[in-house]
Amino acid sequence: DAKTTQPPSMDCAEGRAANLPCNHSTISGNEYVYWYRQIHSQGPQYIIHGLKNNETNEMASLIITEDRKSSTLILPHATLRDTAVYYCIVRGLNTGTASKLTFGTGTRLQVTL
Amino acid sequence: EAGVAQSPRYKIIEKRQSVAFWCNPISGHATLYWYQQILGQGPKLLIQFQNNGVVDDSQLPKDRFSAERLKGVDSTLKIQPAKLEDSAVYLCASSFNQGTWAFFGQGTRLTVV
Repeated sequence: DAKTTQPPSMDCAEGRAANLPCNHSTISGNEYVYWYRQIHSQGPQYIIHGLKNNETNEMASLIITEDRKSSTLILPHATLRDTAVYYCIVRGLNTGTASKLTFGTGTRLQVTL
Repeated sequence: EAGVAQSPRYKIIEKRQSVAFWCNPISGHATLYWYQQILGQGPKLLIQFQNNGVVDDSQLPKDRFSAERLKGVDSTLKIQPAKLEDSAVYLCASSFNQGTWAFFGQGTRLTVV
């Protein structure tokens, strides 16, 4: 079972920041938060991951609350090409079944003109 | 670097027939995953390999599905016999090791009629 809760859909105007929330209240101390996205008819694409510190890369920023029970993925300047389903995943980095990537239903982000 | 290669891209078969999907992971990646994605849902992990050993196959319907990764590189997923509810996209992914982020292929869209 997925360990995360996400809103089913969100809209964002092109050029504005898209802030996608995720709740993971049962996360354990050695579990990371991963974000993937899936553009229509493509396989999921890795975006970013983090443990407890905020992370930033060329695609997005990840803000994790101090208690680690929730996080927000930020796309700073959304474009039409960012329209996709975004998945928030909690995952252990140990070997074996703890390292499983378990997808929920995600948030469908629609970027509009 | 070359991505995860899957073939075929599309397959239509009649129920009770057999079908096989092939995956070539990114070179050097020890971990390989097969996912099933039914329309409107997130990907569901079917099986995870570490080299040529199975890490997790708890959601693989073993009465009809089988998968192998004999030399720890390429992998095949087989369905025999297919049912209508097997219609889905079958995604292959690979990662350098367990716990590192995974790269996905484009998937094989299976339609069972």
